[in-house]
Amino acid sequence: GAVVSQHPSWVICKSGTSVKIECRSLDFQATTMFWYRQFPKQSLMLMATSNEGSKATYEQGVEKDKFLINHASLTLSTLTVTSAHPEDSSFYICSVGRGGANVLTFGAGSRLTVL
Amino acid sequence: KQEVTQIPAALSVPEGENLVLNCSFTDSAIYNLQWFRQDPGKGLTSLLLIQSSQREQTSGRLNASLDKSSGRSTLYIAASQPGDSATYLCAVLRLGNEKLTFGTGTRLTIIP
Repeated sequence: GAVVSQHPSWVICKSGTSVKIECRSLDFQATTMFWYRQFPKQSLMLMATSNEGSKATYEQGVEKDKFLINHASLTLSTLTVTSAHPEDSSFYICSVGRGGANVLTFGAGSRLTVL
Repeated sequence: KQEVTQIPAALSVPEGENLVLNCSFTDSAIYNLQWFRQDPGKGLTSLLLIQSSQREQTSGRLNASLDKSSGRSTLYIAASQPGDSATYLCAVLRLGNEKLTFGTGTRLTIIP
């Protein structure tokens, strides 16, 4: 499967600041990437589908103006949490799908803590 | 709306025992089902993927079964080891939909 790298793996920020998380597909040109969020002791919830060269598709209840997704190249998607608040503290994981989501490879995740 | 449930939420067993983790889903119109392993604070590692037309998949000490009509899957771990301690997640991919729906997870602890 694809090799997926996420950066940073851990970030702490002050309330009101913005944080950018990168997801890179190291050995596969990904037209589609997926962003998930996982709160403590809960399962993963899909936030949005990142589409190369076009707008991301957001799941119901996810604010697109708060969680900005950019997929400007076939190997990089970024998730920016704007004006972060403590309730945004979570584990964010991206995944890369080969030819859709039939086979997914996940990044190691990025833990965001908002003070 | 697809709902995926895993029981039990947590399980502790002595090393060497065989064990079964359960996953149930409400909508049988699935494309495939995957079992993942997640270590604390880490990402996901895919363990087994079962296509909707298959009944089981095996990899080493792991065996996953799928009964699509009843909406159930099991993950069988043979001769458990302390290194198997992790959270195990199942996820289903719906037909005509590229989105995975994850289960609630089972936190497994193997006691040395």
